[in-house]
Amino acid sequence: EAGVAQSPRYKIIEKRQSVAFWCNPISGHATLYWYQQILGQGPKLLIQFQNNGVVDDSQLPKDRFSAERLKGVDSTLKIQPAKLEDSAVYLCASSLVYANTGELFFGEGSRLTVL
Amino acid sequence: EDKVVQSPLSLVVHEGDTVTLNCSYEVTNFRSLLWYKQEKKAPTFLFMLTSSGIEKKSGRLSSILDKKELSSILNITATQTGDSAIYLCAVSPNYGQNFVFGPGTRLSVLP
Repeated sequence: EAGVAQSPRYKIIEKRQSVAFWCNPISGHATLYWYQQILGQGPKLLIQFQNNGVVDDSQLPKDRFSAERLKGVDSTLKIQPAKLEDSAVYLCASSLVYANTGELFFGEGSRLTVL
Repeated sequence: EDKVVQSPLSLVVHEGDTVTLNCSYEVTNFRSLLWYKQEKKAPTFLFMLTSSGIEKKSGRLSSILDKKELSSILNITATQTGDSAIYLCAVSPNYGQNFVFGPGTRLSVLP
C-alpha cells in the first residue's frame, strides 16, 4: 500500500515569496490534515479536510496561508507571502473517516526555509 | 484550550537503560491518546490508548493510560541506539476531530 506522498521535500525561498506544497493521501482516506512543525516543537494542525470539505481551519493564518482539496483526494497548501517564521516542516497526514484506530498516517514532510 | 504536555523534553541515556516518558493532557471530551516515534522523517505510529489501566506492548516498548490522572507513560526497556528519536504524544479530543500534539521528548541513546 502506497503511503502519503508529499512534494517537494525541501524548499528554500526568500521572505515575501510564495510557495506551494502538494500532498496525495493514502487511497481511500477521506480525512486529510496539514500540520506545521517548527523545530523543537510538536506538530500544530493548520487545516483538516474531510473529503473536499474543511472540518477545522481555526489555526490557519488565512491572511497568508490557503489550502484546497478540490476533488477530495490530493491537496495543496500555499503560503503567500512567506515570512521568516514560516520556516518549518509541513506534514501532511491522512486517516480513514472515523477510524476506530484513530491512527494518522504521515508523509515525510516538506521542509521550508525562508531567508 | 486543549493542551498536551510531555516530560522530560530531552533525555540522554546509555544502551541497556530503561526509560519512562510522560504525557499529560487537558482536553475536552477525551477520545484517545496516541504515541508516535519521529526520527528524521515522518512520525510513525506506536500505540493508541483509549481505556485506563490496560497496557499496550510491542517488543521493548509499552504504554499505559491513566484517565484519572489525565496522563500516560511510555516505557522503553533495554534501550538501543535505534531508539534515539523524538517521541510524540497526541490526544484526540473529539470523535473524528483533529489530534493535539505535545512538544515531544527527544531521546538520545548512547552506545
